[in-house]
Amino acid sequence: QKEVEQNSGPLSVPEGAIASLNCTYSDRGSQSFFWYRQYSGKSPELIMFIYSNGDKEDGRFTAQLNKASQYVSLLIRDSQPSDSATYLCAVSGGRRALTFGSGTRLQVQP
Amino acid sequence: GAVVSQHPSWVICKSGTSVKIECRSLDFQATTMFWYRQFPKQSLMLMATSNEGSKATYEQGVEKDKFLINHASLTLSTLTVTSAHPEDSSFYICSASGDTEEQYFGPGTRLTVT
Repeated sequence: QKEVEQNSGPLSVPEGAIASLNCTYSDRGSQSFFWYRQYSGKSPELIMFIYSNGDKEDGRFTAQLNKASQYVSLLIRDSQPSDSATYLCAVSGGRRALTFGSGTRLQVQP
Repeated sequence: GAVVSQHPSWVICKSGTSVKIECRSLDFQATTMFWYRQFPKQSLMLMATSNEGSKATYEQGVEKDKFLINHASLTLSTLTVTSAHPEDSSFYICSASGDTEEQYFGPGTRLTVT
């Protein structure tokens, strides 16, 4: 069983819409949760991190965490074609090493 | 802030030779550095974790004698791929973290072994 699960996609949304990316994790002791964006051929770029249950907003991005359901999501409002990338969910159990999901490919259609 | 550099960005080497990749944190002190490998269309696979001044901790299945990691200072870690073979061709990415858990990634090194 994979430790961090993501739908591989592609998730296709029209420009200006809200993109919703989901991630589940198996280790109930996980403490820190991260969303990275990776363009093709490039390394991942940190977008958001969240440690507590609830929502955390940063510009057009909102991360949501529900530890009881072992679920973390990323919402992207007013999606732009430049948001088209693979989004990686990563989870830390407190020893600093991250476990990555396989990523969800997002396509924003102009 | 939180800039991590890698050098070289790409390298082509012949089978049997060794290649060294450098990872530097430019504007913060990286107490922990990580080395990942990513094959096409796959996610990142953690190879090893290194703390400054300590031996690296390798993930299961990663040969420590083949992938030599040195974390000599709070701003520099190196990965040496020894006796490289074509199957070692991959995208190698380092990341660094300081006082907090967030990891910041270098731009990656694309290794091609011919």
